[in-house]
Amino acid sequence: NAGVTQTPKFQVLKTGQSMTLQCAQDMNHNSMYWYRQDPGMGLRLIYYSASEGTTDKGEVPNGYNVSRLNKREFSLRLESAAPSQTSVYFCASSGRTGQSGYEQYFGPGTRLTVT
Amino acid sequence: DAKTTQPTSMDCAEGRAANLPCNHSTISGNEYVYWYRQIHSQGPQYIIHGLKNNETNEMASLIITEDRKSSTLILPHATLRDTAVYYCIVRVAGDNQGGKLIFGQGTELSVKP
Repeated sequence: NAGVTQTPKFQVLKTGQSMTLQCAQDMNHNSMYWYRQDPGMGLRLIYYSASEGTTDKGEVPNGYNVSRLNKREFSLRLESAAPSQTSVYFCASSGRTGQSGYEQYFGPGTRLTVT
Repeated sequence: DAKTTQPTSMDCAEGRAANLPCNHSTISGNEYVYWYRQIHSQGPQYIIHGLKNNETNEMASLIITEDRKSSTLILPHATLRDTAVYYCIVRVAGDNQGGKLIFGQGTELSVKP
C-alpha cells in the first residue's frame, strides 16, 4: 500500500515549456486534489476532483489544467510554464472513513522550478 | 468554511506537552475542526479531528471548548520529530465540495532538546 505517489520529484522547466505532473493513489478514494505551496506559505488548492469524471477549480486554477484519468489517477498539466509557477506541488486524496472522515492523505510533492 | 487564527510560532521542550491553540470564533454547527502537520519538505499529515467532544488518538489529543470557538491540540510528550508546522482547519463534514481544505499559515512548532 503506497498511499499517494507523485512523479516526478523534481523538475526544471524553461518559460513556455509544458509538462504534466502525475499522481496516483491506491486507497480507493473518490476525491483527489492538487495544491501548490510557495516558500513560507500554506497550501493553496489548484483543482480538485470529487469523483471520477468530475473536476472543479480551487483557489488558484489559472495556468493549469487537470485530468481525472480514472479513480486512481489525477494529473496536473502546465501548458505554458511561467516563473510564477515555481512552487512545490502536492497531490492528495480522501475518502469516507468513520462518521465525518475525509481526512486527506498527501503525496511527497513535486518541486518545480521555472526559469 | 470558517477562518482560523493560530500563533505564528511556539517552542516546546523535548518530553514536555505541546499545547497548540486555535481560534475559530465563526465556526458553524456542522463544521469539524481538523489538525494537520507538515514536517519540513514533506506533504501534510493528518493528525486528528473533532466536532464538539474531546478526541484522542495515538498521535495527539484535541480539546474543543464548549462554545466551540476555540480548540487546543495537545502532543503529550513532544519529541524532536514533532518539529513541524501545525495547521488548524475547520470545514463541513462529508464530501461537500469534494472535502477541500483551506490552509492558513499554521503554527511553527520547534521542539528543543
